[in-house]
Amino acid sequence: GAGVSQSPSNKVTEKGKDVELRCDPISGHTALYWYRQSLGQGLEFLIYFQGNSAPDKSGLPSDRFSAERTGGSVSTLTIQRTQQEDSAVYLCASILVQDRPEAFFGQGTRLTVV
Amino acid sequence: DAKTTQPPSMDCAEGRAANLPCNHSTISGNEYVYWYRQIHSQGPQYIIHGLKNNETNEMASLIITEDRKSSTLILPHATLRDTAVYYCIVRVATTGNQFYFGTGTSLTVIP
Repeated sequence: GAGVSQSPSNKVTEKGKDVELRCDPISGHTALYWYRQSLGQGLEFLIYFQGNSAPDKSGLPSDRFSAERTGGSVSTLTIQRTQQEDSAVYLCASILVQDRPEAFFGQGTRLTVV
Repeated sequence: DAKTTQPPSMDCAEGRAANLPCNHSTISGNEYVYWYRQIHSQGPQYIIHGLKNNETNEMASLIITEDRKSSTLILPHATLRDTAVYYCIVRVATTGNQFYFGTGTSLTVIP
């Protein structure tokens, strides 16, 4: 695809439910990041994948959050037992580190926990 | 952790140059300066990056001081569509490094 694709674009869920957010990075990009952005706030790093290396999970706020990247491409961010404070825009970015080091961001998934 | 400081907000008249400052006094020798912007309700967009030399592309110019402790992003002829939050980031341009986004500068271009 031409850019980073995220789905769904909007998700409303009830408190306590699990949600899965999907990111399709740019083909061939080796690194993938997840960030979240609460209303009016800056971007908060969550997790980083690079090739076959162990992911950097240092930004995950609790053990309710987890992420996978299958086959070095698509990534899924899972939030279990969602809480209202999880409401935010979740952004995914991919980067082709060997060539152009800038990160390309998707449009994000707006998660609302009610 | 952001390693950079920026003014929280700035205004600029349409058609004039917008000069956005950034301080990064603890920058390491192998860290690049990156600029991104985020227009409301969109994902951040890469603008430009540099190491030591000044850089220019179709979007902007980046001026880095000789001691590399500060830089300025210049939008030469600001338009209303340049209204956005601008983030200055320092990062080693290799694998395994996060992009630390601070709170950025909210630029408003005034008609």
